[in-house]
Amino acid sequence: KAGVTQTPRYLIKTRGQQVTLSCSPISGHRSVSWYQQTPGQGLQFLFEYFSETQRNKGNFPGRFSGRQFSNSRSEMNVSTLELGDSALYLCASSSGAPSTDTQYFGPGTRLTVL
Amino acid sequence: GDSVTQMEGPVTLSEEAFLTINCTYTATGYPSLFWYVQYPGEGLQLLLKATKADDKGSNKGFEATYRKETTSFHLEKGSVQVSDSAVYFCALDTGSGNTGKLIFGQGTTLQVKP
Repeated sequence: KAGVTQTPRYLIKTRGQQVTLSCSPISGHRSVSWYQQTPGQGLQFLFEYFSETQRNKGNFPGRFSGRQFSNSRSEMNVSTLELGDSALYLCASSSGAPSTDTQYFGPGTRLTVL
Repeated sequence: GDSVTQMEGPVTLSEEAFLTINCTYTATGYPSLFWYVQYPGEGLQLLLKATKADDKGSNKGFEATYRKETTSFHLEKGSVQVSDSAVYFCALDTGSGNTGKLIFGQGTTLQVKP
C-alpha cells in the first residue's frame, strides 16, 4: 500500500506571496492532519480534516487554511507569507477513529520564505 | 494543558550500548502514546505505540511501556546501531474531543558512533 505523499517537496517563496501544499493520504484513510515543524517551536498541530470537514484546529493565524476533497486528498494554503513561515510542513493520514488511531506521516514539504 | 516532555539531547552512544530516552506526559483522560523517529531530510516514521496503561509497544528492538502511575513512556533499546542515529519524538493523542491532534515532545537527537 502506498504511503502518504506530499507535493512539492521543496518550495522557495518571497514574503507576501501565497503558497499551496498538497497531501495525498494512504488509500482508505479519511483523516488528514497538518503540522508545522521548526527548530524553535518543534512540531505544532495546524488542523485536521475528516470527510471534507475541518474537525480540529490548532493555534495558528487565519493566514493558514486548508481543505479536503472527496477523495480525501488535502491542500494547505498559506497567504501573505512571512519569514517565520519557513518550516517543514508535514501531513499525516489516519482512519479517523478516535482514541486508538495511528497517524502516518508523509515526507514533508520544505518551505523557505525569503 | 496536555504536554509531553522528553530528555534533552543530543545523546551520544557507542555502537551496542544500551539506550534509554525518557518521556513523561501530562494529559487528561487516557491518551494513546507514540514514539516516532525522524531521519535526516525525511518525515516521521512510527516506531511503536501503546494505547492503554501497562501496554508495551515494541518494534525493531525498541520497547516502551505505558506507565500511568508515573505518566511515563520511556524508550529503550538493548543494543544500538549506527543506523539508529536519528531524532526521536514522543507523542500523545488524547483522542475524541481533540481529533487528529498529536502533541509532541521537543525531540531527542541520538548519535551512535561506531
